[in-house]
Amino acid sequence: DIQMTQSPSSLSASVGDRVTITCRASQGIRNDLGWYQQKPGKAPQRLIYAASTLHSGVPSRFSGSGSGTEFTLTISSLQPEDFATYYCLQHNSYPRTFGGGTKVDIK
Amino acid sequence: EVQLVESGGGLVKPGGSLRLSCAASGFTFSSSTMNWVRQAPGKGLEWVSSIRSSSSYIYYTDSVKGRFTISRDDAKNSLYLQMNSLRAEDTAVYYCARDGWIDYWGQGTLVTVSS
Repeated sequence: DIQMTQSPSSLSASVGDRVTITCRASQGIRNDLGWYQQKPGKAPQRLIYAASTLHSGVPSRFSGSGSGTEFTLTISSLQPEDFATYYCLQHNSYPRTFGGGTKVDIK
Repeated sequence: EVQLVESGGGLVKPGGSLRLSCAASGFTFSSSTMNWVRQAPGKGLEWVSSIRSSSSYIYYTDSVKGRFTISRDDAKNSLYLQMNSLRAEDTAVYYCARDGWIDYWGQGTLVTVSS
């Protein structure tokens, strides 16, 4: 099984900050990675697929990069509505595996 | 607009059974891979099972193999998860999600396994 290690597990940031979250795969997954945002009590919503492609309707301040085993999600200028938990997901093979999550809260 | 609506959650005793349903609309269900993903209270996301179109391939996470069965009814645009021999650790919100790349999610249904 492919393990996804996500870091950090939490971070505190201010509105306007640039935020970077990392996911590392235990083996190469090409660019078969997605990023999701989840707010309390709500279902996750996809932000990025194929490592760097923005899901329809997602603001351009979100971006993704990486290939193989190292991936990053960047929020260029954090907005109040971006305080949430973020997860990566590898869809290269089964079983699908998620990263452990990164909670972004207000500094 | 893609819509996924789960139902069937509730309180069940350890060892009991429950059947979850997911009603899909807004896309061609029969050609879509469908998934169940769960989230235990206060925990992260865990993929549970996937079923490809025509039920050609089915996958499960190890912890539910032999206890859970995923199925689909393309005539009814519906996805199911039959859960048997339920354990306390199966307590979670269960989400239905579309596509092998998991693009859209339902709102979830809560399953609580407790005596």
